[in-house]
Amino acid sequence: DAMVIQNPRYQVTQFGKPVTLSCSQTLNHNVMYWYQQKSSQAPKLLFHYYDKDFNNEADTPDNFQSRRPNTSFCFLDIRSPGLGDAAMYLCATSKRTSGNGGKFFGPGTRLTVL
Amino acid sequence: AQKVTQAQTEISVVEKEDVTLDCVYETRDTTYYLFWYKQPPSGELVFLIRRNSFDEQNEISGRYSWNFQKSTSSFNFTITASQVVDSAVYFCALSSQIQGAQKLVFGQGTRLTINP
Repeated sequence: DAMVIQNPRYQVTQFGKPVTLSCSQTLNHNVMYWYQQKSSQAPKLLFHYYDKDFNNEADTPDNFQSRRPNTSFCFLDIRSPGLGDAAMYLCATSKRTSGNGGKFFGPGTRLTVL
Repeated sequence: AQKVTQAQTEISVVEKEDVTLDCVYETRDTTYYLFWYKQPPSGELVFLIRRNSFDEQNEISGRYSWNFQKSTSSFNFTITASQVVDSAVYFCALSSQIQGAQKLVFGQGTRLTINP
């Protein structure tokens, strides 16, 4: 089945140690997004790629970066994780289309910072 | 600025009861999209529905139904004959399509508990 895959599902890192989260999709969607969801809060958009064009949200910290080497893969890099970066990180995809097509999320990676 | 309000933080009902989750939104855009997602304890966001601002037709899918009223900026979600498996956090979200991308603004979510 076509889907959005995130690896790993659980990631533990140490304070200040760089970490990379990965997302892949078999939907062939143009757009890939990264959201951060802290405990008991709503997801918040960090940035997105439209094809190879990167779009950062104004309030996304510089500590967060992203790479999209091809249509299928997108990575979230946290250069120096702090305790406040512990959260669920959700990858999503969508296709530029009219109508009522959905925006699909992966299962998420839960990041713990020690 | 866009904003979504889900005034009900938590709802608890007994199985087989009907339950409605409220969603009110604010936007200045004439074209926008409304979504509902379900987030079970596993954490995955499960897509339920997307509606565009020009389509006020209500929708029914099995036990789920959605009532979109532009006049009151509301997009409410009703579960009929609720089941324990419906227990989850439900998010309403709003987006405009900006250069092909759907940037979602989420409400704070409603935690729904269905008791046996």
